[in-house]
Order: sequence, then structure tokens, then C-alpha cells
Amino acid sequence: GQQVMQIPQYQHVQEGEDFTTYCNSSTTLSNIQWYKQRPGGHPVFLIQLVKSGEVKKQKRLTFQFGEAKKNSSLHITATQTTDVGTYFCAGISTGNQFYFGTGTSLTVIP
Amino acid sequence: KAGVTQTPRYLIKTRGQQVTLSCSPISGHRSVSWYQQTPGQGLQFLFEYFSETQRNKGNFPGRFSGRQFSNSRSEMNVSTLELGDSALYLCASSLTGVQPQHFGDGTRLSIL
Repeated sequence: GQQVMQIPQYQHVQEGEDFTTYCNSSTTLSNIQWYKQRPGGHPVFLIQLVKSGEVKKQKRLTFQFGEAKKNSSLHITATQTTDVGTYFCAGISTGNQFYFGTGTSLTVIP
Repeated sequence: KAGVTQTPRYLIKTRGQQVTLSCSPISGHRSVSWYQQTPGQGLQFLFEYFSETQRNKGNFPGRFSGRQFSNSRSEMNVSTLELGDSALYLCASSLTGVQPQHFGDGTRLSIL
């Protein structure tokens, strides 16, 4: 069956360091979405990527969608304590079904 | 605009019982999806309803079922509860399904 793998599962960084999480699908995706879940909260939508090779930026966050539409990454520059949480990618199949990655839990050490 | 509302927030049940969880989507959203979240397993897709019809289904046993009403509100039912069903159950709504999902705060289900 279709799978979306996300690495790493956990990441601890010093405040000010960069952070990257990677998302890989076993099949080609229609599009991909990224979500952030703060501790004790629910996932909140960050961004959607649709086009092959697409790159989008939100302040210190950079999102990329691979050329083959099977992988994606989220890069945070100069992490802050407010970036703490779990970041999920969600691959949307051509059948419009969501496949969430296992998430990357980010801890930022002040 | 009110967000997605899930009730109850917390629930404690014993093995063998059944449970019904409720989700009220954002007004105007016709798609409602259910997810199970457990530590280390991420978000596991249960099913999606659109206009009262189940449109997509994840790999969960038949003990997990759901329905959607004409006002788009949805319920999820789990019968013959097992210890492994302990989890946070999240509901998410969107306009038609592929748009960004808006999640509720979830129902935390504990099985004793």
C-alpha cells in the first residue's frame, strides 16, 4: 500500500541552528501539505505544494516538492523556541486520499 | 467562524464496550475525515465522509465505523473496544476534501 515516510523522527537543535525534515512517498503524489502540531495541540496547516519542483517560503521556513512529486522537505533557518512541535507532511494521492507521515518532533534548546 | 468541534474531549472506557465520538465541522465544509493518533504511529487515516457518503477508508478493522449527517456533522463509532484503541482521535474538515484540513482538538480515548 501507499506509504509516506518522514525522517528524522526526533530532532534536538540549539536555538539558532537550522532544521530539516524529509518526507518520501512510495508513489507519485498529486500534491503535498505540511502541518505543525504544538505539544498538546492539534495539527495546523502550514502550506500546500502542487507543482513538480515547487519551492515556497514562509519567513524562516522553506518548503520544497521534488521533481518526481514523490518527496518533499521542510527547512527552518535559525530555529526559535516557538518552532517547537511536531511537523507532519501529508501526501495526497491521485485518488484524493491523505497519507500523513509519521512526523518529526522538533525540540529547540534555548 | 467557529472551528471544528469534537465531543467529548476525554473518554474512559473498558474493554468490550463501544463508544461514539462526535465532530461538528466548520460551517460550509462538506468533507469530514477521522484520524487516529498514537505516539510513534503518527496520524493514521480512518475514513472520510463527503455529503453523507464514505468516500475513502483507511486500513482499520470493521469495528471502526462512521457516518455523516445532512448537516455535515459526523460521528465515529468503535465497537468491542480493545486496549490498543487508546489514542487521540482527531476529526478534520475541509470544503471538498483535498483542501487543507482543519482539525479539531480531538477526543482522547483511554481503554482500561
